Amino acid sequence: QSALTQPRSVSGSPGQSVTISCTGTSSDVGGYNYVSWYQQHPGKTPKLMIYDVIKRPSGVPDRFSGSKSGNTASLTISGLQADDEADYYCCSYAGSSTHVVFGGGTKLTVL
Amino acid sequence: QLQLQESGPGLVKPSETLSLTCTVSGGSISGSTYYWGWIRQPPEKGLEWLGSIYHSGSTYYNPSLKSRVTVSVDTSQNQFSLRLTYVTAADTAVYYCARHRSVLTVDFDYWGQGALVAVSS
Repeated sequence: QSALTQPRSVSGSPGQSVTISCTGTSSDVGGYNYVSWYQQHPGKTPKLMIYDVIKRPSGVPDRFSGSKSGNTASLTISGLQADDEADYYCCSYAGSSTHVVFGGGTKLTVL
Repeated sequence: QLQLQESGPGLVKPSETLSLTCTVSGGSISGSTYYWGWIRQPPEKGLEWLGSIYHSGSTYYNPSLKSRVTVSVDTSQNQFSLRLTYVTAADTAVYYCARHRSVLTVDFDYWGQGALVAVSS
């Protein structure tokens, strides 16, 4: 069982927006502004899409955005494209004992 | 362009030690302020962070594996390594090495391609 809870799957049609949630506790997501999101296509290496809750690495489209409210972080993808179909993982700093925790992953299907 | 590459045996027997090395090219481990970590992914499952190291040798580990995991660095070879002792079938996974900014940040921005390690007799 993963430390952070994500929905197993979400779906949306091309052009629509979808939001993936990542729920933790005050010891991880809620306690620090260090949440990241990763996109992983089948058989590929994870790719950093969002870090520090809201920041986008260079080269990541602004269709991808991050946010946080309380113990829940969210990744929103607007203007869905076929290539967005992938698994998405959230990750959070979890304090000086546990350090790093991941979510179980969410499979995004573009209908 | 920074590149990371994992290397090591693809098959390890139960109760033995898994050893992997990550070679960094296009940048210097000792010349950077980044941390270097190991993350694994069992088949059809999610990601799990194992541990990270700074070029000074400072380390921190996943507490659920702490007694079995060791991460070390060899700055002269621009490499860092993972050792996981007393492996079982549950340790079968793709093992990735990756870079992140600091102890606090979880921004793994550069990853190796991954090394599949199977634990089997």
